[in-house]
Amino acid sequence: AQTVTQSQPEMSVQEAETVTLSCTYDTSENNYYLFWYKQPPSRQMILVIRQEAYKQQNATENRFSVNFQKAAKSFSLKISDSQLGDTAMYFCAFMTPYISNFGNEKLTFGTGTRLTIIP
Amino acid sequence: DSGVTQTPKHLITATGQRVTLRCSPRSGDLSVYWYQQSLDQGLQFLIQYYNGEERAKGNILERFSAQQFPDLHSELNLSSLELGDSALYFCASTHTGGTGLGYTFGSGTRLTVV
Repeated sequence: AQTVTQSQPEMSVQEAETVTLSCTYDTSENNYYLFWYKQPPSRQMILVIRQEAYKQQNATENRFSVNFQKAAKSFSLKISDSQLGDTAMYFCAFMTPYISNFGNEKLTFGTGTRLTIIP
Repeated sequence: DSGVTQTPKHLITATGQRVTLRCSPRSGDLSVYWYQQSLDQGLQFLIQYYNGEERAKGNILERFSAQQFPDLHSELNLSSLELGDSALYFCASTHTGGTGLGYTFGSGTRLTVV
């Protein structure tokens, strides 16, 4: 079974600084997808960024980027120029696309990192 | 608006009661997933339906059941409610086919059992 581990329960950083959230995962699969979801105080789950395991290039979405190390099974999220609106719970998630079992794509979440941006 | 609609947004009920949570997936999505998030906890996978059929089951209690209807909306039924069932219940949908686009989440139903 796949597992996702986020070892930093809480983090805080000054506004405009850069912060990196850690995530490791365990799987025997070779083809999979990794995601970072953000959950602000409104509790809405928002997709921040996704990474396809077969792509070596790290995904980037504006101020958000990832450092994907497949051999180390590590998938960290870097937030540059942090803003007050980045204050949220961040969840790392893993999905294996079961091509042979069409329709069953289970998303497994880590326990989350609560990030606070300090004005 | 994510395109996934969950109703009601809030629900307060007494122990021992039964409630039904409803989810309408994003247009074109055939898979619906239900997750439970207790206070300050991660998301626990409950169950998945794909085009009306149950496809995967997670940590879902026997007191809980779900179904997906021909119009693809889904309902999660919670019965004999206990205080510990108080949580945020999320529905999510996805376009399947191994594209790994991730889930689109609804805004959740906050259930409070008193």
